[in-house]
Amino acid sequence: EVQLVESGGGLVQPGGSLRLSCVASGFTFSTHGMSWVRQIAGKGLEWVSTINGGGDATYYADSVKGRFTISKDNSKNTLYLEMDTLRTEDTAFYYCVRDDWRPLDYWGQGALVTVSS
Amino acid sequence: EIVMTQSPGTLSLSPGERATLSCRASHSISTNLAWYQHKPGQAPRLLIYAASFRATDIPPRFSGSGSGTEFTLTIDVVQSEDFAVYYCLQYNKWPPKTFGQGTRVEI
Repeated sequence: EVQLVESGGGLVQPGGSLRLSCVASGFTFSTHGMSWVRQIAGKGLEWVSTINGGGDATYYADSVKGRFTISKDNSKNTLYLEMDTLRTEDTAFYYCVRDDWRPLDYWGQGALVTVSS
Repeated sequence: EIVMTQSPGTLSLSPGERATLSCRASHSISTNLAWYQHKPGQAPRLLIYAASFRATDIPPRFSGSGSGTEFTLTIDVVQSEDFAVYYCLQYNKWPPKTFGQGTRVEI
């Protein structure tokens, strides 16, 4: 069974940093792309970033480019999202998602990030 | 960026009725379109990919159709557990991958 478990969410001040982690199990992590998708409270889903299976190709939404960094450690079956220079508009639930030939096919339960002073 | 537009915003139905949800792309995306179901407090769930292929363990009352710029998700005989928000996603030309704004299916 595919499982994705996020951690690292919390409250941070504007301009601060936070790192989300996602531990994957139930599939061969190194051969699958992974993405982060967020949902701002009361709004829709927004794609944030994608990384390929090998971890050497990354893609970002314009809204986070230059501030967020996606990475994966295939030896630890773990996906990361390093978030710097956080803004209030980054407040959202962040979902870790397996992303492959079937797009965004398995989702974690999400981690809440709140950016507020 | 390809803009995805869903209609209607809200669909009010009774159990047993048929639901028809629409998604329009601003440019042709072939059949690179997926549908997701999202219930409050739960993770979104992939229903349909490649416009018409059901994902693992999705019941046959869910079906997708369309190509190019016009797509439809149909739920035959809506059941109580189907009340949720449904999103379409284009993955033809990315980044960025873009979602529609969602259709709420309510009682």
